[in-house]
Amino acid sequence: NAGVTQTPKFRILKIGQSMTLQCTQDMNHNYMYWYRQDPGMGLKLIYYSVGAGITDKGEVPNGYNVSRSTTEDFPLRLELAAPSQTSVYFCASSKTVLRGTSGANVLTFGAGSRLTVL
Amino acid sequence: AQSVTQLDSQVPVFEEAPVELRCNYSSSVSVYLFWYVQYPNQGLQLLLKYLSGSTLVKGINGFEAEFNKSQTSFHLRKPSVHISDTAEYFCATPRGPGFQKLVFGTGTRLLVSP
Repeated sequence: NAGVTQTPKFRILKIGQSMTLQCTQDMNHNYMYWYRQDPGMGLKLIYYSVGAGITDKGEVPNGYNVSRSTTEDFPLRLELAAPSQTSVYFCASSKTVLRGTSGANVLTFGAGSRLTVL
Repeated sequence: AQSVTQLDSQVPVFEEAPVELRCNYSSSVSVYLFWYVQYPNQGLQLLLKYLSGSTLVKGINGFEAEFNKSQTSFHLRKPSVHISDTAEYFCATPRGPGFQKLVFGTGTRLLVSP
């Protein structure tokens, strides 16, 4: 199984450009997430989705948009890129299970996408 | 809202020495706690989790963690570390409707030297 696949792995953008980070999973997971990782800050949740057609904001959604038209795909769009969006982005997915059960909150992560905005 | 705090940003240790990485959580009615590990240039993977029951939880690669309600802590320990344990370790807890949003601490970088 491929798990969670992110593309591209690296990208350099100019200020004001836009781009889409792609994420796809082949595990039939309902929940999908986008996090950004900055040094010393840990991971911050940008957006998440509980199923196709349903998305919601996380801790740091400003400057980003998402869509979830299929179970497999959860692209993250950056509009008008800014230097503050320089980061490593991780996509993750998990099964829908009851809170407190053994599978709950067990996330499978992609390998990450390193974005630099100059 | 439920949150976690990792007290050390970096922990240097020599190979074969014991290590403890600290994590404190904010008190809540239901507490679910996780440790994830990130090896260099990789995504995160689950190390261990506490949902209920025994307060001592064993994970992969010889790591264990102890849930301590009175101290509101969930510290990660390993009795003897290897060079290959060099990685960043994240404590995490779920939050929000359905508790499916996992929020992470700021991470602790474990540096194991020979």
